[in-house]
Amino acid sequence: KNEVEQSPQNLTAQEGEFITINCSYSVGISALHWLQQHPGGGIVSLFMLSSGKKKHGRLIATINIQEKHSSLHITASHPRDSAVYICADGGSQGNLIFGKGTKLSVKP
Amino acid sequence: KAGVTQTPRYLIKTRGQQVTLSCSPISGHRSVSWYQQTPGQGLQFLFEYFSETQRNKGNFPGRFSGRQFSNSRSEMNVSTLELGDSALYLCASSRTGGSDTEAFFGQGTRLTVV
Repeated sequence: KNEVEQSPQNLTAQEGEFITINCSYSVGISALHWLQQHPGGGIVSLFMLSSGKKKHGRLIATINIQEKHSSLHITASHPRDSAVYICADGGSQGNLIFGKGTKLSVKP
Repeated sequence: KAGVTQTPRYLIKTRGQQVTLSCSPISGHRSVSWYQQTPGQGLQFLFEYFSETQRNKGNFPGRFSGRQFSNSRSEMNVSTLELGDSALYLCASSRTGGSDTEAFFGQGTRLTVV
């Protein structure tokens, strides 16, 4: 059974801090996804990666295939980064299996 | 380029009723997946449609069904609503589907069953 575990569940940071969210998965994957969900529900795809590292602005995602582990980093965090961050792994049916999410709150 | 559009955004229904939700994918995307999000279970996969055919199905009862039209628009239907069906329903579209394809999500339909 494919399981996706995220940590921490909740994270409060001060503006400017460096943030790390972790994701572990149990089955070999074709791609791991990082998603962002703002209050109101809409989900935005941040990264899709199967190896190495990707960077977009202040966001960096890394993945270690051997350890079945991925991290999402936010540099110089800002209150507008406050959201729920969700990682998702590919299921056996080709669908996404999601972690429970990390609720991030960045205080000014 | 228009994003994924879900209608309606909010819906209140009574137990026992049925409901139909709509999802218009990004132009050119042939895969539409549906997900249910609840505070207790998080995001769970309902089903995926590709070129009008249901390609994959999650572990939900038969009260949950869907279809896809020739223009790739998709609908999902929930019959005999239960209180536990209250949730945010999200659809996502992609060009070809599969877990190694970037998915674009709609804003969701928040369903409340009373």
